[in-house]
Amino acid sequence: KQEVTQIPAALSVPEGENLVLNCSFTDSAIYNLQWFRQDPGKGLTSLLLIQSSQREQTSGRLNASLDKSSGRSTLYIAASQPGDSATYLCAVNSVQGAQKLVFGQGTRLTINP
Amino acid sequence: DAGVTQSPTHLIKTRGQHVTLRCSPISGHKSVSWYQQVLGQGPQFIFQYYEKEERGRGNFPDRFSARQFPNYSSELNVNALLLGDSALYLCASSLARSRNNEQFFGPGTRLTVL
Repeated sequence: KQEVTQIPAALSVPEGENLVLNCSFTDSAIYNLQWFRQDPGKGLTSLLLIQSSQREQTSGRLNASLDKSSGRSTLYIAASQPGDSATYLCAVNSVQGAQKLVFGQGTRLTINP
Repeated sequence: DAGVTQSPTHLIKTRGQHVTLRCSPISGHKSVSWYQQVLGQGPQFIFQYYEKEERGRGNFPDRFSARQFPNYSSELNVNALLLGDSALYLCASSLARSRNNEQFFGPGTRLTVL
């Protein structure tokens, strides 16, 4: 059974800092991994999708890496801004079982002005 | 282009009642999935539908059911509501049945069971 863990559960940093969010998964047989952003009480906004054959993806100030063999992914946010404050979720699309995303519990990020 | 849309936005029900939630996928997307997100946790998979057929089911009781219509929109039905069904219900769509496709989520329906 695929399990996804995100550490830390919460993170608070001053504006302008670069930061890294971590995601680990137990079964390396995946099709892809997605990072999402969720604002309080809202739906999920897809940030980056990394296919299993890829090592990283970049979008603006965001960079996500994937090490499938070790079951790890990181989301790097450069030059953080208060508008980046949200919960960040990673999800894996496993080869085994139904076509579904298995989510971590998220990292709640607060950027202080 | 419109994204995934869901209705209603909020819903309040009492225990034992029935609820129907609706989802319209992105135009051209044929796959719809439903997730339940309890406060403070990540979303949990409920169902996936593709071409009007159920293609996957999560670990939820039979009180939960869904269907997909010819226009690829979908309904999630929950019978005999329990307090524990209070959650944000998210719908996601993707282009096709391929497991490599990116999934796009709607804004969700907030269900409160009293």
